[in-house]
Amino acid sequence: DTAVSQTPKYLVTQMGNDKSIKCEQNLGHDTMYWYKQDSKKFLKIMFSYNNKELIINETVPNRFSPKSPDKAHLNLHINSLELGDSAVYFCASSQVGAQYNEQFFGPGTRLTVL
Amino acid sequence: TQLLEQSPQFLSIQEGENLTVYCNSSSVFSSLQWYRQEPGEGPVLLVTVVTGGEVKKLKRLTFQFGDARKDSSLHITAAQPGDTGLYLCAGAAGGFKTIFGAGTRLFVKA
Repeated sequence: DTAVSQTPKYLVTQMGNDKSIKCEQNLGHDTMYWYKQDSKKFLKIMFSYNNKELIINETVPNRFSPKSPDKAHLNLHINSLELGDSAVYFCASSQVGAQYNEQFFGPGTRLTVL
Repeated sequence: TQLLEQSPQFLSIQEGENLTVYCNSSSVFSSLQWYRQEPGEGPVLLVTVVTGGEVKKLKRLTFQFGDARKDSSLHITAAQPGDTGLYLCAGAAGGFKTIFGAGTRLFVKA
């Protein structure tokens, strides 16, 4: 059973298009995250939801809109895709009540904008 | 702003060699975590260190948290090709936020 799953694994699209990435966790965690990993492998947080409430919103363009329909799901919609959006996007979850906020990551979605 | 600096950025060694990866900061962290990421996959948690001076062992991997809780190291004994990957340190930055170092890319040649 996959703990944190993301779809799709790969996404290739043209500049200007709108796309969505979906994430689901079956760990019973109350917090979910979206991270962006650039070509240099630097992992940077974008958003975090705790019990469906947005709690972290880093400096991310408004074209990125997360949505959490319930605690187990966190989706990411991106409007008007740009070349610079090409990266690997990781979903993660954690149980904030746990002592160290250890995070469990999905397999990533490699987004390529042409 | 809290930052975690990792060194070296890249490391290519022969199977059987030992190595150490460092994670340093000017800030104090309540805990630090080490993750390993293999190509095409997400990071996987290896260990969390909490107490200053703490040493944890995971088979051939030894993790140490600095006395002042500002730095950590990962030592691998007799590296194997299966150890190849990106090693990331991470620390709690307040609230729900975790910050990650830029990572050390390790390649172990057979």
